[in-house]
Amino acid sequence: KAGVTQTPRYLIKTRGQQVTLSCSPISGHRSVSWYQQTPGQGLQFLFEYFSETQRNKGNFPGRFSGRQFSNSRSEMNVSTLELGDSALYLCASSLFSLAESYEQYFGPGTRLTVT
Amino acid sequence: AQKVTQAQTEISVVEKEDVTLDCVYETRDTTYYLFWYKQPPSGELVFLIRRNSFDEQNEISGRYSWNFQKSTSSFNFTITASQVVDSAVYFCALSEAMGGATNKLIFGTGTLLAVQP
Repeated sequence: KAGVTQTPRYLIKTRGQQVTLSCSPISGHRSVSWYQQTPGQGLQFLFEYFSETQRNKGNFPGRFSGRQFSNSRSEMNVSTLELGDSALYLCASSLFSLAESYEQYFGPGTRLTVT
Repeated sequence: AQKVTQAQTEISVVEKEDVTLDCVYETRDTTYYLFWYKQPPSGELVFLIRRNSFDEQNEISGRYSWNFQKSTSSFNFTITASQVVDSAVYFCALSEAMGGATNKLIFGTGTLLAVQP
């Protein structure tokens, strides 16, 4: 069974630009969560999507948004990029919603560098 | 507030030594889950174990073992006879209920384990 895939793996953007990251969960998994990992703040929850609906969101500004498609694939968008958005963005999938399932499987991440 | 503390930032051991990674958590929930994840240099978080708050039985899986003690709010991880391939950052995490709609993971800051040959 294929694992969680994320594209692209590496990305370099300029301040002020926007970026879209993609995540394909494990086949059959319906929940996708996004996390941001930085040296200063560590691993922080961004949001979870389940059945195309955002279930909850962490403490991030509105520049961070996402969506989920009917095939459970998810995209995360960051607009008006700032230097502080440079991070490893990790996607995790789980079979059920996070409220019902506590096992999350992570993808390899997308390393975003903002210059 | 929910919090996970991994006081050990870095640990360096020589191959075949045993090593214990500490994890202390804080939560007001009576039902919660604790996790350990491994993050090798490739960046992908690898799930190691999940433990619920009602199960304090220690667990052993090969060279890995976990000691869960609610009395001290600790969930420590021991690697026996460490190997170079164990070198990675290890994260302890706590599930947090968010109004019943989502249980997000609260991660500790991680412990970098370096196993020298």
